[in-house]
Amino acid sequence: ETGVTQSPTHLIKTRGQQVTLRCSSQSGHNTVSWYQQALGQGPQFIFQYYREEENGRGNFPPRFSGLQFPNYSSELNVNALELDDSALYLCASSWDRGTPTLNTEAFFGQGTRLTVV
Amino acid sequence: AQTVTQSQPEMSVQEAETVTLSCTYDTSESDYYLFWYKQPPSRQMILVIRQEAYKQQNATENRFSVNFQKAAKSFSLKISDSQLGDAAMYFCAYRSGGNTPLVFGKGTRLSVIA
Repeated sequence: ETGVTQSPTHLIKTRGQQVTLRCSSQSGHNTVSWYQQALGQGPQFIFQYYREEENGRGNFPPRFSGLQFPNYSSELNVNALELDDSALYLCASSWDRGTPTLNTEAFFGQGTRLTVV
Repeated sequence: AQTVTQSQPEMSVQEAETVTLSCTYDTSESDYYLFWYKQPPSRQMILVIRQEAYKQQNATENRFSVNFQKAAKSFSLKISDSQLGDAAMYFCAYRSGGNTPLVFGKGTRLSVIA
C-alpha cells in the first residue's frame, strides 16, 4: 500500500459527458501528478500540481483540467469525453523540497479505469 | 524531449531462472534518474529499483539489479531467481532532476513459467 487512493476505481461514461476523478495523496506529500495509460501503453503525463498550482503539463487538450486542494488532494476533470479518452488514469504523489535534486519517490494509486461509450 | 524505449513487448522466464529486461533512453541532460516500475494486474505501479545517473555503481535491491551504461544510454533490469509473483508489466522510466514528471517506456510483459 502506498497511501495514495483514487476514486472511483471504475467508471463508464457516455461520449460528450464530463467526468471528475479524485486522488488523495500520501500524507506529507505536496505534489500530485496525473497520467493517462491507454491499453497496452505506458503512462503518459497529463499535468502536475505543486502546492495548489499547476506547474507542468503534457500534450493534452484544455478539456483536461485539474485542481489541487489545501490538503494536497487533487481532481482531474475531463470535459466533452471522447472514445479515445478510455484509459486507466493514474495519480502519483511525491514531496518536493524545492531543490534541483530529486525529491521523494513518486507513489502511485491503483488508478481509475474510465470507459467512454 | 526525452524518450524511453523498451524493445521487448513480452518476455518469459522459468521459475528460479534469471531474466534481463532491456531499456534505452535518449536525453541531452547529464543529471537524471532512471527507474523500473512493476505493474501487476492490480494496476498499482510499484517502484522496483532506481538509479541516479551520477552514480557509477549499479543499483541492487535483493533479487533485482540493473546494468546502467550511461554512455550507451542503456538501463537493463536483471531479475534473479524469478518467482511466480514477478509476473507483471515492467516499465522503464526517466526523470530529470527537480520536480519533473516521469517519462515511461511502453512496457514489457513478463511471464513466469512454473
